[in-house]
Amino acid sequence: QQQVKQSPQSLIVQKGGISIINCAYENTAFDYFPWYQQFPGKGPALLIAIRPDVSEKKEGRFTISFNKSAKQFSLHIMDSQPGDSATYFCAASRGGGSNYKLTFGKGTLLTVNP
Amino acid sequence: DAMVIQNPRYQVTQFGKPVTLSCSQTLNHNVMYWYQQKSSQAPKLLFHYYDKDFNNEADTPDNFQSRRPNTSFCFLDIRSPGLGDAAMYLCATSLGGVGQPQHFGDGTRLSIL
Repeated sequence: QQQVKQSPQSLIVQKGGISIINCAYENTAFDYFPWYQQFPGKGPALLIAIRPDVSEKKEGRFTISFNKSAKQFSLHIMDSQPGDSATYFCAASRGGGSNYKLTFGKGTLLTVNP
Repeated sequence: DAMVIQNPRYQVTQFGKPVTLSCSQTLNHNVMYWYQQKSSQAPKLLFHYYDKDFNNEADTPDNFQSRRPNTSFCFLDIRSPGLGDAAMYLCATSLGGVGQPQHFGDGTRLSIL
């Protein structure tokens, strides 16, 4: 049972455009929602994260929008650049005890054309 | 400047020959994780340590074991690698508190001959 559903599987955007990746979760106990960026041959790197007490978080060109009632969150990349071409994973976790595990979405391969 | 260091970056072993992958961290984080990532897939958690407490995922094959001799180091042992174990193996660390991010190393690419 996949607890975090991510879409689309792949995305092609022109330079300067907006990239939007969506995720939906099922477990209402999740309380931390990070996005990771992964380049080929590299480990995932934390891009931006949000807690459920806010509806939006912005860091530079990257914004997370969070809808608690719909159990959905999304990543928006403004002014997308070819250097943003990578695989993006949404994830979710819940605190409590020692069980700080991430549940990943299946990933989105983003290609930004010059 | 690297904070989670995995060695080697590439490892080739023979079918059935034991192999050990290593991970070290300079972050002094409580939690260390091992993930398996196959091509075009999300990382799959194998197990994690919270300090010295070992936590195995239910679907992690017995073929995979781990050791954490101290805070800084963690090892992944694959006792009898099969062709299906060829993958990228990622180590990650975190402080373990609510909302604490996981920091990943760049992985070890394991090939099985």
